[in-house]
Amino acid sequence: GEDVEQSLFLSVREGDSSVINCTYTDSSSTYLYWYKQEPGAGLQLLTYIFSNMDMKQDQRLTVLLNKKDKHLSLRIADTQTGDSAIYFCAARDNFNKFYFGSGTKLNVKP
Amino acid sequence: EAQVTQNPRYLITVTGKKLTVTCSQNMNHEYMSWYRQDPGLGLRQIYYSMNVEVTDKGDVPEGYKVSRKEKRNFPLILESPSPNQTSLYFCASIAGGGDTQYFGPGTRLTVL
Repeated sequence: GEDVEQSLFLSVREGDSSVINCTYTDSSSTYLYWYKQEPGAGLQLLTYIFSNMDMKQDQRLTVLLNKKDKHLSLRIADTQTGDSAIYFCAARDNFNKFYFGSGTKLNVKP
Repeated sequence: EAQVTQNPRYLITVTGKKLTVTCSQNMNHEYMSWYRQDPGLGLRQIYYSMNVEVTDKGDVPEGYKVSRKEKRNFPLILESPSPNQTSLYFCASIAGGGDTQYFGPGTRLTVL
């Protein structure tokens, strides 16, 4: 199966930009996703990118995809304390199986 | 309201006692899936179903069964639960040809 990897922690100051990185191993992944999980809650889809795209912007969120390096990043502009959560990267393969990273815990300091 | 529901939300049981966690969606989605979430491991897919009567193994299917007799329901069955199945379980669904996966609220299972 595919391996999806993320760093475990990121700490930023309120108002700064946050960049969360993810790598994956299956070059045939069709969709790549970013989910947010707040304490005690389920997963909320933040954004996704189709594999034939390089970039997608959605308000404060920018997703960059480097297919050659199999690297995905999520940039959150003007990070707020309400953005503190665990962020999961996920890849969907040709058989519609999903592979998730272990999650990056984002801590936003006031 | 479009949603994925799971029951029960919390369950404590003992080793070997068969249990079923139900999952239902009201969005007429073809694709449904079960995941388990463990600290440091993220979410791992247990089983998924592309449509009624069609199920496939995910990454960690051992010790679990599923069935898809109706489009809206996708129960997860643990025939003989063991302590290593203590986890947080999520059900999810996607519309056919869609890209957005909707998650249920989660079921926290403890097997003693």
